[in-house]
Amino acid sequence: GQQVMQIPQYQHVQEGEDFTTYCNSSTTLSNIQWYKQRPGGHPVFLIQLVKSGEVKKQKRLTFQFGEAKKNSSLHITATQTTDVGTYFCAGLTSSNTGKLIFGQGTTLQVKP
Amino acid sequence: DGGITQSPKYLFRKEGQNVTLSCEQNLNHDAMYWYRQDPGQGLRLIYYSQIVNDFQKGDIAEGYSVSREKKESFPLTVTSAQKNPTAFYLCASSNGGRVTQYFGPGTRLTVL
Repeated sequence: GQQVMQIPQYQHVQEGEDFTTYCNSSTTLSNIQWYKQRPGGHPVFLIQLVKSGEVKKQKRLTFQFGEAKKNSSLHITATQTTDVGTYFCAGLTSSNTGKLIFGQGTTLQVKP
Repeated sequence: DGGITQSPKYLFRKEGQNVTLSCEQNLNHDAMYWYRQDPGQGLRLIYYSQIVNDFQKGDIAEGYSVSREKKESFPLTVTSAQKNPTAFYLCASSNGGRVTQYFGPGTRLTVL
């Protein structure tokens, strides 16, 4: 079946270091979304990428969508303790269903 | 306030009992979703509904049932047939034309 793989599963960084999580789909995606879940909380939408090769920035966060629309990445520059949480990518294969396929998530720990 | 509410936040049940989790939204969203979250496995789709009186099975529907009699409500019943029901359950909704999903705070179900 359709799968979205996300790596790494866990990442521990020192505050100020950079962080990247990668997402790969077995099929071409219509779009990809990124969500953040704080410890004990629920996923919150961060951003959506639609176009091939698209790059979007939100302050220290940079999101990329691959040329083939099968992979994506989230890069955080100079991590802060507020970045702690689990980051999920979620791919949409068909806009007709609205059904997202979530990656397993990358849990980020930041040491102060 | 607009949003999605799930109740209760924590729920304990004895093995063999059915239990119904509540999900209500006042965002006027057409689509609603139920996910199960286990540690290290991301979000897995149980059921989703794109319109009132209609719903489809997700990836792990066995042992669960839903109804969608009202646009605002999408309750999930965890039946005794679900072999490992202890998990964190998340409800989400989205506007029909967009697929960004808005999540409720979740219900943590523990079956003793």
